[in-house]
Amino acid sequence: EAGVAQSPRYKIIEKRQSVAFWCNPISGHATLYWYQQILGQGPKLLIQFQNNGVVDDSQLPKDRFSAERLKGVDSTLKIQPAKLEDSAVYLCASTERGGTGNEKLFFGSGTQLSVL
Amino acid sequence: DQQVKQNSPSLSVQEGRISILNCDYTNSMFDYFLWYKKYPAEGPTFLISISSIKDKNEDGRFTVFLNKSAKHLSLHIVPSQPGDSAVYFCAASGSNDMRFGAGTRLTVKP
Repeated sequence: EAGVAQSPRYKIIEKRQSVAFWCNPISGHATLYWYQQILGQGPKLLIQFQNNGVVDDSQLPKDRFSAERLKGVDSTLKIQPAKLEDSAVYLCASTERGGTGNEKLFFGSGTQLSVL
Repeated sequence: DQQVKQNSPSLSVQEGRISILNCDYTNSMFDYFLWYKKYPAEGPTFLISISSIKDKNEDGRFTVFLNKSAKHLSLHIVPSQPGDSAVYFCAASGSNDMRFGAGTRLTVKP
């Protein structure tokens, strides 16, 4: 079974530039998550999709972050413009059903973003 | 908003001994708890979980204990192996809301 795919693995940009991350979840998984993990902290949920609808984006800084999940499969997360404090690892995860919370997440390897 | 806390940033144990990683939570609505393991440059991978209706779950060398009254859970690894060296994240969920602790870096020395 192929895992969660993410690209790019690393990205270095200057502040005020824009950047986009891509995620392909495990085939058949209905729920997709984007997490931000700042060094020394645990992953923090940014947005959760169930199929192609948003379930929870309460912690997404909507003035600069946006995300979409086309056709309920792949997803992209965009930051525009980036700030220094956006430097983090961005993790994508998926689950088969979602909706209850009582389900393990499958994570991708993440994209490490450095904003200079 | 630290609803899940792992107060020990690091732990070092000798190969063959027991590793005990601790986690505390504050939200009594959490009813499912998970441990994830993370190697450098990889995403977290699921290790073991426990439902709030249980107080213990065992899977090979890994056992998770849950004390609901104390809002505390722990992960025991016996015996510890060098390959267990990683960062361990505790997670708690309830009503579709999963929160993670900051992680504990475990080093198992040969």
